[in-house]
Amino acid sequence: GENVEQHPSTLSVQEGDSAVIKCTYSDSASNYFPWYKQELGKRPQLIIDIRSNVGEKKDQRIAVTLNKTAKHFSLHITETQPEDSAVYFCAASGAINTDKLIFGTGTRLQVFP
Amino acid sequence: GAVVSQHPSWVICKSGTSVKIECRSLDFQATTMFWYRQFPKQSLMLMATSNEGSKATYEQGVEKDKFLINHASLTLSTLTVTSAHPEDSSFYICTGTGERDTQYFGPGTRLTVL
Repeated sequence: GENVEQHPSTLSVQEGDSAVIKCTYSDSASNYFPWYKQELGKRPQLIIDIRSNVGEKKDQRIAVTLNKTAKHFSLHITETQPEDSAVYFCAASGAINTDKLIFGTGTRLQVFP
Repeated sequence: GAVVSQHPSWVICKSGTSVKIECRSLDFQATTMFWYRQFPKQSLMLMATSNEGSKATYEQGVEKDKFLINHASLTLSTLTVTSAHPEDSSFYICTGTGERDTQYFGPGTRLTVL
């Protein structure tokens, strides 16, 4: 089955700096890759996603890149702010709506003012 | 947008009792719902896939007789933790697929077994 690895497990940055989180997946059939932000005690919130037919997607300060050949994808947050502090999870799925999501192990991001 | 609710939001029970958690899609029909479990400071682990009108599909290592799933309608799936023990204490989250084919997460249910 699918296995998703995520690095780093913790990441501390100064406000205004960029943060990059990387994930690798094992199943070449996976074609949907969402990223979630989870604050303590709350549900994960989808922040951006990418499909296998796209190499990069950007939404304001957040971008995701996908390398299908290498089976890895990354989350890039620019101009980080203290409110970006949270745990971020990547996930992989065979399809958007019918397949289960397999989550990475999570990255705890701390943005210091 | 699509909304998924869960009830209860938190529950404390004694060891050996059973607890039922409800997951509802409020403004859309979800043929498939997924149940995840999240232990403190860990990732979300898929427990089972709940399909309306059929038996749930459980992930390896998840006891189907302990975690009973019923998906009797297109808007309701229930997870019953039978004979709960302290090691079952966790954050249980369901998802349903809504508009734009996105999986929408319920708010989660925090189960504490004493």
